[in-house]
Formats: sequence, C-alpha cells, structure tokens
Amino acid sequence: DAGITQSPRHKVTETGTPVTLRCHQTENHRYMYWYRQDPGHGLRLIHYSYGVKDTDKGEVSDGYSVSRSKTEDFLLTLESATSSQTSVYFCAIRAGTGEETQYFGPGTRLLVL
Amino acid sequence: SQQGEEDPQALSIQEGENATMNCSYKTSINNLQWYRQNSGRGLVHLILIRSNEREKHSGRLRVTLDTSKKSSSLLITASRAADTASYFCATDEDDYKLSFGAGTTVTVRA
Repeated sequence: DAGITQSPRHKVTETGTPVTLRCHQTENHRYMYWYRQDPGHGLRLIHYSYGVKDTDKGEVSDGYSVSRSKTEDFLLTLESATSSQTSVYFCAIRAGTGEETQYFGPGTRLLVL
Repeated sequence: SQQGEEDPQALSIQEGENATMNCSYKTSINNLQWYRQNSGRGLVHLILIRSNEREKHSGRLRVTLDTSKKSSSLLITASRAADTASYFCATDEDDYKLSFGAGTTVTVRA
C-alpha cells in the first residue's frame, strides 16, 4: 500500500458523534486525498490537500472537514456523523512518475448507527 | 460528478478467456488510468494512457483510447482466477484530481 496507513480500520459509531479518521504516509508526498466508496458510485472525492494547511473541497464535502498540520498526516473529521456517512473511506497519495498516479491506503470501514 | 462510466457493470468469464471492459467520459482529459480493486482492499494502479496515445500494453493488459469518441477499453487476455476483481477507469483533467467511474466487476470462473 505504498507506505500509506489508515486508522482505525473499522469503526462503529452513533449518529451525532464526531469521528476522526487518520491517514498517514511515510514518503512526504505533497498531494493527499480522501474518498468514500459506496455501492454503485465508485469512488467520490471528499477533500484533498496539496500541502501542509492547504486543502480544498471535492464533490461530496458536506458534513466533512479535514486538516493537515504536517506532511505525513491527513485527518478527515465527520463533524456529526449521520447514517448516510456509513461507507468505506480511502486515503490516497499522488505519486509515481510525474506524480500522475494515485496510491491507496487499505480503507476504513465506518458504520454509523 | 463522475466523469467516467464503465460498461458492463459486471462480467463473468471462464479462466483462459479474454475480458473486455469499456469506459466513456465527458470532457477533455490529460490522461486516463485503470485501477483494480480486490475485495476488501484499496485500489491498485494498473496502467496510464495519455491523451496523445492510442494504445498501450502492460503484460496481459491492453488499453486503448479514442479521444474523438471519449472512450477507452481495457482488455485482459488469458484471464486467471486472480484477475477476479473490480476495475475502475479514472480520468485526469490536469487539475491534480481523478474522477472515477462506478467500476466493472469481473469474475473469472475456474
């Protein structure tokens, strides 16, 4: 998984609870991404970062916030979890020749009850 | 919104047969990429084809790109049980983001 770890790997939480997911990389790549994956939708971009403290919204950013205080960590926070945020969340970095391809973490499976 | 759409949604083939899946997209792209996802795992990059390329090979994979039709195809030759996975196309519009399709699920029967 190209030196990308995600924690936790599984989480069950209740509606209205804040949740933070962590993505950690070991190779100092500039670009980091958070996606969610739901059946029939493929991967949808939530937020991405292009450097420390530099972030921007993706197509499904409502209800999510992110922070990147150091190069290696990109945090995704669900401010008040809802059942519609039950999903599998993937972190990715941009790397490879010309930094054109993305490498994905193992995913976090989140269930909001 | 999603840029790429894969077709078919699901594909079941016998081991040794070829598998072909297609991807259509809507806007101009810098490159198009194919990824594989095994059950319960993250996506793995397979191959990248640039907008000025028409065909590319990597092992048993062959990718074509037709920018006039805004479409791409991925061919897996001589399929194996280990090729059972979901396959996603992703388009790069030169803004450091990828847009993924919903994927094609391939099942290779022994």
